[in-house]
Parts: sequence; structure tokens; C-alpha cells
Amino acid sequence: DAKTTQPPSMDCAEGRAANLPCNHSTISGNEYVYWYRQIHSQGPQYIIHGLKNNETNEMASLIITEDRKSSTLILPHATLRDTAVYYCIVRVEGGFQKLVFGTGTRLLVSP
Amino acid sequence: DTEVTQTPKHLVMGMTNKKSLKCEQHMGHRAMYWYKQKAKKPPELMFVYSYEKLSINESVPSRFSPECPNSSLLNLHLHALQPEDSALYLCASSLNRDRENEQYFGPGTRLTVT
Repeated sequence: DAKTTQPPSMDCAEGRAANLPCNHSTISGNEYVYWYRQIHSQGPQYIIHGLKNNETNEMASLIITEDRKSSTLILPHATLRDTAVYYCIVRVEGGFQKLVFGTGTRLLVSP
Repeated sequence: DTEVTQTPKHLVMGMTNKKSLKCEQHMGHRAMYWYKQKAKKPPELMFVYSYEKLSINESVPSRFSPECPNSSLLNLHLHALQPEDSALYLCASSLNRDRENEQYFGPGTRLTVT
């Protein structure tokens, strides 16, 4: 699986958009980008995933660059409850390999 | 029902005790997972069950013994644990192994070994 690089921490003001970057320059053609988050003292939560097209759901949007070497998770109107560690994971869909969480980005949303 | 439940929420046990963690889901998922998470670290996979059969054991010590009695239930039996085994134990499920990248996690059991 491709390795990912994320900033260790980011801050965001409540109500503003939070843009969380992820670099995955060694991604291969059949690898997807997945995002999870973990709010303090809770289990991780699946957010969104994509292959090459931009994706949007009720939680967030995922923007993947045309060369697929990086992506950005966008929380359009961050709330205090979005304070969490956000994990970007790159891997093939299915198969018999384990899901590996990196160190993630700790997002702090402040009033 | 889109929830994974875990009991107990907290557990304190001595090194000679035997205890069990329980995980349950009623989403019809056929793959279930145990993870261990130490403080300020990401979750690490321990075991994977697919269609009630153990398919991955990440070289976990035998003092941790998983069991999958049916497709909705996953247990983790604990015996003769060490203080360094203190951690948050997370259970997760996915529709099947092909959809394993979309996992639903429970809230975890916070285990303290004294």
C-alpha cells in the first residue's frame, strides 16, 4: 500500500471550512484514498473514499488531484464536534490486506 | 441498526484474572475485527474474522484468544495479561472482506491491567 503524509496538526475556526491535506505520491492506479476520523475516546469513523473523481457525502468532500498524488478532505462548515484525529489511508479495494492507520492529522476546531 | 456495540466500556483486571470482551453488530456484516490502541497511537489490527472464520492473526500473544460464535458476535478472551496490555480495544465490522476498507467501529473497551 502507498504511504501517506499528513501534517501532524491543524487549527480551524468554527464555521469555516477545514481543508485537510494528504500526500500519497507513490499511489498506484488501483489504490483508493480513504479517510477516517477518531474523536477523542471513541472508535474511528469512516468518512469518505474515492479513486480519482471528487466525491461528496453528507459529512465531507474529497478532492483528488488529477495526478492522484495528493488529496484534500474538506469539512465545509467545521463545528466543535469535528475536533478529531483525521486519518488518510491509501490502499486497494478489497483483498486480504489489513487496514493500516498512520499517525493522522489532529484537527482542533475552536470557537 | 448501524451500530457496533462493545461491552464492557471499562474493565480493570489483575494479571491472574480471566475476562472477556464482547462485540456485537446487527448490520449483516460478515467480517469482524479486533484492534488495539495505545494512548496517542493509531489503532493496530489484532485479528480478522471473515464468515466466522479467523483469517488474520497479527502475531498476537496467546493470552488474547478471539472467538466468533456467530456472524453477529465477536469475543476476545483475556487471560494472564500484562500491565503493558492496558489499552483501548476496538471492535469493527465490514460488509465482507471485499468492503473491508469501510469499517464500522464500536466505542471500544478501555482495559487496565493491574
